Amino acid sequence: GAVVSQHPSWVICKSGTSVKIECRSLDFQATTMFWYRQFPKQSLMLMATSNEGSKATYEQGVEKDKFLINHASLTLSTLTVTSAHPEDSSFYICSAASGGSITTEAFFGQGTRLTVV
Amino acid sequence: KNEVEQSPQNLTAQEGEFITINCSYSVGISALHWLQQHPGGGIVSLFMLSSGKKKHGRLIATINIQEKHSSLHITASHPRDSAVYICAVETSGSRLTFGEGTQLTVNP
Repeated sequence: GAVVSQHPSWVICKSGTSVKIECRSLDFQATTMFWYRQFPKQSLMLMATSNEGSKATYEQGVEKDKFLINHASLTLSTLTVTSAHPEDSSFYICSAASGGSITTEAFFGQGTRLTVV
Repeated sequence: KNEVEQSPQNLTAQEGEFITINCSYSVGISALHWLQQHPGGGIVSLFMLSSGKKKHGRLIATINIQEKHSSLHITASHPRDSAVYICAVETSGSRLTFGEGTQLTVNP
């Protein structure tokens, strides 16, 4: 199956700093990437949908100025958590789709565990 | 009420047992996904269903569109099957809405 690589797998940062998470589709062109957040013992929640070459669509309650998403190429999307606070500590995971839809199966990155201290 | 509900939330089984995890949803969907999440957090897609039944090795997934219900079965369960199993429904715009997951523990 297709491979989606997410980096880093874990990161610890100080409050007030910014953290960038990368999501790469290694063997297919991902026109759409999805960013999710998962708090402990909870289900994944969609944060935003990222389409190559256009602005991301954010879900209600997700601050677009705090969670910056860039999808500059068909194989790379980045999520930057700006001015991180301890409440941003969570598991962030991306998934990728080709052709604007998940047609056969969903391809997920390995996830990034962010801890803000 | 969540749009996607799974049961049970937690399931403990002995090696070799037949396992069933259920998923009910309340919205119109284009597809339903079964995912497996390991303790480290990584997620693997098991099945994508829009109708009927699929089988892959010891895993079987079924869906009843009229009843808005899907089941994931594991035959001859093994400790390595221990993970969180997540049901997700795909709605308009390829959005996935997730169930809360079922924590499966298979004891040797």
